[in-house]
Amino acid sequence: GAGVSQSPSNKVTEKGKDVELRCDPISGHTALYWYRQSLGQGLEFLIYFQGNSAPDKSGLPSDRFSAERTGGSVSTLTIQRTQQEDSAVYLCASSPSGTRVEQFFGPGTRLTVL
Amino acid sequence: AQKITQTQPGMFVQEKEAVTLDCTYDTSDQSYGLFWYKQPSSGEMIFLIYQGSYDEQNATEGRYSLNFQKARKSANLVISASQLGDSAMYFCAMREHAGGTSYGKLTFGQGTILTVHP
Repeated sequence: GAGVSQSPSNKVTEKGKDVELRCDPISGHTALYWYRQSLGQGLEFLIYFQGNSAPDKSGLPSDRFSAERTGGSVSTLTIQRTQQEDSAVYLCASSPSGTRVEQFFGPGTRLTVL
Repeated sequence: AQKITQTQPGMFVQEKEAVTLDCTYDTSDQSYGLFWYKQPSSGEMIFLIYQGSYDEQNATEGRYSLNFQKARKSANLVISASQLGDSAMYFCAMREHAGGTSYGKLTFGQGTILTVHP
């Protein structure tokens, strides 16, 4: 079956613009995670969804970042008023439940803020 | 405080040889999970192996094994019979069980770049 998909694969934007990153998890996976990978900070957890609710948003770096999940499926990560330090690869992962071992990762969205 | 430490920024190994990638961790939880992921140049994260803190035997998955030393808080990955396709970035990660609820959030180390020479 299909894996986790993310779109767009690459996004170049100007500082101050808003961007939306999309994640389509594996069908039936109730748990969904967003991570960010950058040269300076490595891989960082951003937010976790179980169904449509987000019990852990502790990794969101500022109030410019928000995320939602609808229908227990697709998730959107929104970054408002982008800054150059937001440049990174944003990875989405899903899991059958929050307690299962393996997280299946998508290919990521590379965001470049000019 | 850093919870996962990978002290080897880069490692080199000859094809068909075995290689060990180091990982140490820090946690006050008694129940936790340790993971290794591979990230080739394509960027996708590939799950390799998992070790639970209560597992008495070291985990093995094909050519991958995890050398788990709980008292030393280390979870080294051993790759046997290295192949050219093993060249990639390798991440050690930990999942802690907060408040008795395991919700899967992973904390990653900084990674080790492995290069396999023919």
